[in-house]
Amino acid sequence: DADVTQTPRNRITKTGKRIMLECSQTKGHDRMYWYRQDPGLGLRLIYYSFDVKDINKGEISDGYSVSRQAQAKFSLSLESAIPNQTALYFCATSGSRGSSYNEQFFGPGTRLTVL
Amino acid sequence: AQSVSQHNHHVILSEAASLELGCNYSYGGTVNLFWYVQYPGQHLQLLLKYFSGDPLVKGIKGFEAEFIKSKFSFNLRKPSVQWSDTAEYFCAVRTGGSYIPTFGRGTSLIVHP
Repeated sequence: DADVTQTPRNRITKTGKRIMLECSQTKGHDRMYWYRQDPGLGLRLIYYSFDVKDINKGEISDGYSVSRQAQAKFSLSLESAIPNQTALYFCATSGSRGSSYNEQFFGPGTRLTVL
Repeated sequence: AQSVSQHNHHVILSEAASLELGCNYSYGGTVNLFWYVQYPGQHLQLLLKYFSGDPLVKGIKGFEAEFIKSKFSFNLRKPSVQWSDTAEYFCAVRTGGSYIPTFGRGTSLIVHP
């Protein structure tokens, strides 16, 4: 079951290119997040959104932007990619009520390499 | 700002050995605590969580964790590991004043058959 999907799964690009990573979810959650994972650094929050009209910066938002096109879609953009943005990127969702309250569900990840 | 420390960065065990992974956090108020597991090449998935009640929490695949408020700890345990437990393990803490959990840096566990 692919409740949280990410496209593409792998991407190699060059410095200066614009890249968009997409995330879709079928869980009906209102909250969505973008993280990057680097070896030894764990997960660091880039942006998060609690509703379609709500966008918030995380701890490492510089060089990134996001768009919440619908409750189910949350895209991450790198306007001008640089090599130190090479990382594994995860989208996550969580609900604001019920049994999934505050539990995050993660997508399969996008491995991005910037040359 | 809250912080989450996972003391063991790399752990190597043989099958059937016991496991304990440490997790400490810095916040003194109400917390929600989580352990996530990331198997090689896969996404993070929830192992267990603590919100309130019994401080000994049982999760999937034989894992458990104990919340010790006085020690600000939420250590993960398993009495007998298997080769299939090879993965990266992340502790996460959400405080009462924030909707966003803070993740630790992760512990890489390798279990030799």
